[in-house]
Amino acid sequence: QVQLVQSGAEVKKPGASVKVSCKASGYTFTSYGISWVRQAPGQGLEWMGWISAYNGNTNYAQKFQGRVTMTTDTSTSTAYMELRSLRSDDTAVYYCARKGGSGTLSWFDSWGQGTLVTVSS
Amino acid sequence: EIVMTQSPATLSVSPGGRATLSCRASQSVSSNLAWYQQKPGQAPRLLIYGASTRATGIPARFSGSGSGTEFTLTISSLQSEDFAVYYCQQYNNWPPLTFGGGTTVEIK
Repeated sequence: QVQLVQSGAEVKKPGASVKVSCKASGYTFTSYGISWVRQAPGQGLEWMGWISAYNGNTNYAQKFQGRVTMTTDTSTSTAYMELRSLRSDDTAVYYCARKGGSGTLSWFDSWGQGTLVTVSS
Repeated sequence: EIVMTQSPATLSVSPGGRATLSCRASQSVSSNLAWYQQKPGQAPRLLIYGASTRATGIPARFSGSGSGTEFTLTISSLQSEDFAVYYCQQYNNWPPLTFGGGTTVEIK
């Protein structure tokens, strides 16, 4: 069965960077893209960006352009999301999610368990 | 950016009752809309894509309808496990992919 397993919780100081991993199993990693979605405490879902696991192409939400980098390691079927210059309002649960649909059709058919990133001085 | 608006914010329904959730897009998204369920402390779960196609393993009591700018998620007979937050998401025009603010379905 499809599984996305994320790395553990992180506590970071303002200005620091965080890198969250998402290890995929149960499917051909390079056949599906991965999006990253975050959820601040008590808030809704916010899409951060997407990476093709096939060729590494990315699409980032404008809000995060210049501050986020998404990568993949096909040898380990793992996706990564690095967010830099952290602020207190980056405190959130970060999810990876597999892209369902073909072409530009992009819903999320499987999700990681989430990684809590806390930004605090 | 396409803005998704969900209503109501909170819906109180008795077990066994019917829940009707609405999602409106700021411009047409055709049928490129998905619905998710999220329970406290859990990741979202895909319920519906293509506005009306149930995802694998989703019970038939969940149904989606609509196209263009107006969409509805109906839960025909609420079970205890259905009390949760529900989000819609458009994927017609991106980036960015956008979500609605969510509807909480609570026990009446």
